[in-house]
Amino acid sequence: EAQVTQNPRYLITVTGKKLTVTCSQNMNHEYMSWYRQDPGLGLRQIYYSMNVEVTDKGDVPEGYKVSRKEKRNFPLILESPSPNQTSLYFCASSPGLVINEQFFGPGTRLTVL
Amino acid sequence: QKEVEQDPGPLSVPEGAIVSLNCTYSNSAFQYFMWYRQYSRKGPELLMYTYSSGNKEDGRFTAQVDKSSKYISLFIRDSQPSDSATYLCAMSASTGNQFYFGTGTSLTVIP
Repeated sequence: EAQVTQNPRYLITVTGKKLTVTCSQNMNHEYMSWYRQDPGLGLRQIYYSMNVEVTDKGDVPEGYKVSRKEKRNFPLILESPSPNQTSLYFCASSPGLVINEQFFGPGTRLTVL
Repeated sequence: QKEVEQDPGPLSVPEGAIVSLNCTYSNSAFQYFMWYRQYSRKGPELLMYTYSSGNKEDGRFTAQVDKSSKYISLFIRDSQPSDSATYLCAMSASTGNQFYFGTGTSLTVIP
């Protein structure tokens, strides 16, 4: 089944404790992206990647890191999480250069205490 | 000013009604326009995708883009209770580039 998977789905952590949210897609998509979704603010793009080893900042990259060492994986790293990073996070992938349709993962709900 | 503005609603309509959802935007470089539907506790899923201006129809759904007014719309005909969801507009200037989403409009279709 073609899909985007994220792990973990739920995470409660404390301020300053490094964490990684994994994202993997099995559709051989070129483009992958991370979003956060907050009430009243909608979906905001954090980082995106057009291909392996190519990443670009979205609207809200501060406090986040990403890497794209393989085509299928695009982990989101929070080196020192803070309470304002409490949010619902979505990973998405897209065929990219030809088609703009994005396929979203199920989401990761992160709470930083 | 936000790149994309969308009325958050909530919008409540009776079953069978025609629903109109709208977004405005400020960046004239946007060329790709999308509507996503998001059910509670799920990721968004693509409904309609339009390039540049014009109309596109898919079953009960019609997407319209008016680039001169920087205004896009999604119409849902014969609305069903299963259409109850949050609808997000999204746009980008080119393929594989940065995407900008509206805040979403919550729709409830009452049986």
